[in-house]
Amino acid sequence: DIQMTQSPSSLPASLGDRVTITCRASQDIGNYLRWFQQKPGKSPRLMIYGATNLAAGVPSRFSGSRSGSDYSLTINSLESEDMAIYYCLQHNEYPYTFGAGTKLELK
Amino acid sequence: EVQLVESGGGLVKPGSSLKLSCVASGFTFSSYGMHWIRQAPKKGLEWIALIYYDSSNKYYADSVKGRFTISRDNSKNTLYLEMNSLRSEDTAMYYCAKFTHGGGYWGQGVMVTVSS
Repeated sequence: DIQMTQSPSSLPASLGDRVTITCRASQDIGNYLRWFQQKPGKSPRLMIYGATNLAAGVPSRFSGSRSGSDYSLTINSLESEDMAIYYCLQHNEYPYTFGAGTKLELK
Repeated sequence: EVQLVESGGGLVKPGSSLKLSCVASGFTFSSYGMHWIRQAPKKGLEWIALIYYDSSNKYYADSVKGRFTISRDNSKNTLYLEMNSLRSEDTAMYYCAKFTHGGGYWGQGVMVTVSS
C-alpha cells in the first residue's frame, strides 16, 4: 500500500501567516493527490484536486504544489476560518490512503 | 445539488453485523463510482471501499476485506455497506462519498459503535 507521510501533525500559526503542509508519497502517485479540510463536527471539504487545482469555491489564498514525491498545501495570509484539520489523499491506486492529518491552530 | 444521506448506524456488540445505506440525489447516481470512508473518534480519515458505477469492480482496505461488502442499487439511488464480524476498532463515523475530476462530495456521516 502507498504510505502518505504528512507533516507537521500540528501547526500553530498566527492570522496573516503563510503556512505550508506537506505529504510525501512512498511510491509514485503522479498528480493523483487531493487535499481536504475538516472542521470539528463537519464532513471533509475538497480544497485541492490533481495536486495543484483549486476546487470550486475555495479561496485563492489556498494553493497546491508538487516537487517529486512531495506534495504541499500552502495557505497565504491565514484567516480564522482556515483553522481546521487538513488531510491529503492519494487516489492513484487502491487502496486509497490518507495522510494522518495536520491540525492548524492559532498560536 | 448533490446530497448524500447515510443511515443505519447504531450501537452493536462485537461479532455482530450491520448494514449502512447512503441515499444519493442531485446527480445521476448510476454514472459514478462511490466510496465509503470512515473516521474513528478523534482519529484521521480511513478510506475503506469503492464500487464502480455498474458494480463491475469493488475495492477494499485490508482492514475490512473479507468482513465488509460494498454494494449499490442504481434503481434506488442507494449505496450500501454490509459489515460483518464487527470489532471494537470498527467504531467510527462512516461517510459515503462521491469523487469527480474536480469535485468531492461527502454525506454527513453515520456513527457506528461496537461495544459490549
